Amino acid sequence: DTAVSQTPKYLVTQMGNDKSIKCEQNLGHDTMYWYKQDSKKFLKIMFSYNNKELIINETVPNRFSPKSPDKAHLNLHINSLELGDSAVYFCASRGTSGKETQYFGPGTRLLVL
Amino acid sequence: GENVEQHPSTLSVQEGDSAVIKCTYSDSASNYFPWYKQELGKGPQLIIDIRSNVGEKKDQRIAVTLNKTAKHFSLHITETQPEDSAVYFCAAPFDRGSTLGRLYFGRGTQLTVWP
Repeated sequence: DTAVSQTPKYLVTQMGNDKSIKCEQNLGHDTMYWYKQDSKKFLKIMFSYNNKELIINETVPNRFSPKSPDKAHLNLHINSLELGDSAVYFCASRGTSGKETQYFGPGTRLLVL
Repeated sequence: GENVEQHPSTLSVQEGDSAVIKCTYSDSASNYFPWYKQELGKGPQLIIDIRSNVGEKKDQRIAVTLNKTAKHFSLHITETQPEDSAVYFCAAPFDRGSTLGRLYFGRGTQLTVWP
């Protein structure tokens, strides 16, 4: 009965490769996000999606391409991976306006070698 | 946009003592202030939040206070236990009047409770 799930949990890959991270929420929420957490634990928002539509790209390089096939899923594809992309990536979701609580997934730990 | 500063970055307390973490924000229009707890290897989880129309909110051993004039809010944990050890994040809304609900997070406080 996991609310927000992500796969894979760990991802180790070489520089230059392309990889995808998947996110699913079973909360019926309209809004989903991707966050990046660096080695110093700083949580920074990357993308905001509402009803499958990209609302805001937080000045993330276009090597990162989110895709939302439906309201419950928000995937993140990363092209030409760089060393600096190593981080923990969190998906989160939020209900309708007036319910501000964001629910986070367990994270995907990406290591680029 | 919002800017949130969080202090201290690390906090060590003895089991049973209290812990206080403070955050300041810049946008006086911000009206919602959540606190998240992140345990090792997990995603952040909401533990308590407060709206700008109240000054204090309690939930068992945790409480949050808000000073709108000074633009700061604090997390108070009483009777700390080893399982309270985690990274705690404060946050404030990114958007004024937006329905997107984006949050700007503080840089986190690593709380360690020694038995």
